[in-house]
Amino acid sequence: DQQVKQNSPSLSVQEGRISILNCDYTNSMFDYFLWYKKYPAEGPTFLISISSIKDKNEDGRFTVFLNKSAKHLSLHIVPSQPGDSAVYFCAASALTNNNDMRFGAGTRLTVKP
Amino acid sequence: ETGVTQSPTHLIKTRGQQVTLRCSSQSGHNTVSWYQQALGQGPQFIFQYYREEENGRGNFPPRFSGLQFPNYSSELNVNALELDDSALYLCASSKDRAHTEAFFGQGTRLTVV
Repeated sequence: DQQVKQNSPSLSVQEGRISILNCDYTNSMFDYFLWYKKYPAEGPTFLISISSIKDKNEDGRFTVFLNKSAKHLSLHIVPSQPGDSAVYFCAASALTNNNDMRFGAGTRLTVKP
Repeated sequence: ETGVTQSPTHLIKTRGQQVTLRCSSQSGHNTVSWYQQALGQGPQFIFQYYREEENGRGNFPPRFSGLQFPNYSSELNVNALELDDSALYLCASSKDRAHTEAFFGQGTRLTVV
């Protein structure tokens, strides 16, 4: 039951350009969304989040956009840096059941110098 | 520095054996969630412990069990190990069940042979 989907297993961009990572969800009860970054041999690190009452949240080079009607969110990284190369996971939860956070399968981002 | 530590980092067990994985939560956090991450997939929610009580469970059989101690550290126990239990096991600690400030440990890589 894949309620959170990241359909692109990998993405490669040039340093300085924009990276756009996409995520789709099926459960309309989800109302809180998070992005995590994971380097090899480390646990996921929280990056940015957004609640369903917003459609955009920005933190430095990272911006998350939420389109509730399309059940779609995206993470924009501008400008991309080689240190951003990692696996990015999208996650979603419902405040009414906030102990269960569902993750996508991840997208491996490679930023080339 | 997340402050969440897991032990051991790697473990090899034989099918049918039992295993105990440990997690020390970050200072000030009273909630620990456990996840299983199979190769090429995102983390899947196993269960959550809040103030020493189970506070929600994912789609895992009863042979996956846990404990949370008064200092909020936690154990994940898996009985009757199966080959498919081979995965990275992640724990995440947070304050008051919220996912907004969940910090992950580096994980325990379990291999069942």
